[in-house]
Amino acid sequence: EVQLVQSGAEVKKPGESLKITCKGSEHNFLKVWIGWVRQMPGKGPEWMGMIYTGDSETRYSRSFEGQVTISADKSITTAYLQWSSLEASDTAMYYCARRGISGKEAFDIWGQGTMVTISS
Amino acid sequence: DIVMTQSPDSLAVSLGERATINCKSSQSLLYSSQNKNYLAWYQQKPGQPPKLLIYWASTRESGVPDRFSGSGSGADFTLTISSLQAEDVAVYYCQQCYYAPFTFGQGTRLEIK
Repeated sequence: EVQLVQSGAEVKKPGESLKITCKGSEHNFLKVWIGWVRQMPGKGPEWMGMIYTGDSETRYSRSFEGQVTISADKSITTAYLQWSSLEASDTAMYYCARRGISGKEAFDIWGQGTMVTISS
Repeated sequence: DIVMTQSPDSLAVSLGERATINCKSSQSLLYSSQNKNYLAWYQQKPGQPPKLLIYWASTRESGVPDRFSGSGSGADFTLTISSLQAEDVAVYYCQQCYYAPFTFGQGTRLEIK
């Protein structure tokens, strides 16, 4: 069964850096798109960007480009979302999700989410 | 960016009755070469990630009960729950997967009347 397992909750201070992870459980993690989605408290999901694990091609929403970096290490079937300088407004739940394969245009497998809290 | 607008924002339906949620996109989501609409529906319950219900506007994801159905084409879409069950209480989101960024609607909160 394909699963995505995310790293645990984080509490950070403004200005700190952070990298959260999303680990796939099967070999077909290697040639799929993995997306990242932000969900602020009480709000709807926002699509941040995605990475193709085959060649690390990335696409970002303009709202998030330059604010975060999406990367992946296919040798350990892991995708990453990182910040170099966190802000209080980054407080949110972050999900990774797999874009469907075989032409299924949707995100069909989701991680359990990583709660990021930024507080001084 | 493609803007997705759902209606209503909230909905209360009696058990066993039909629930209908609408989603409108700011441009067509019909990929004409494949004759498929790149529109997905998700269900999100508290403390859980979104769960894919419908893709290509009307194809039910494996394991999703057949009381859930999707319809529409172009820029207007509908999610219908034919007979509401208690476990269907959730927030429902549409998402376009036609052109990045793959934007979501603002959500529709479904409750029991």
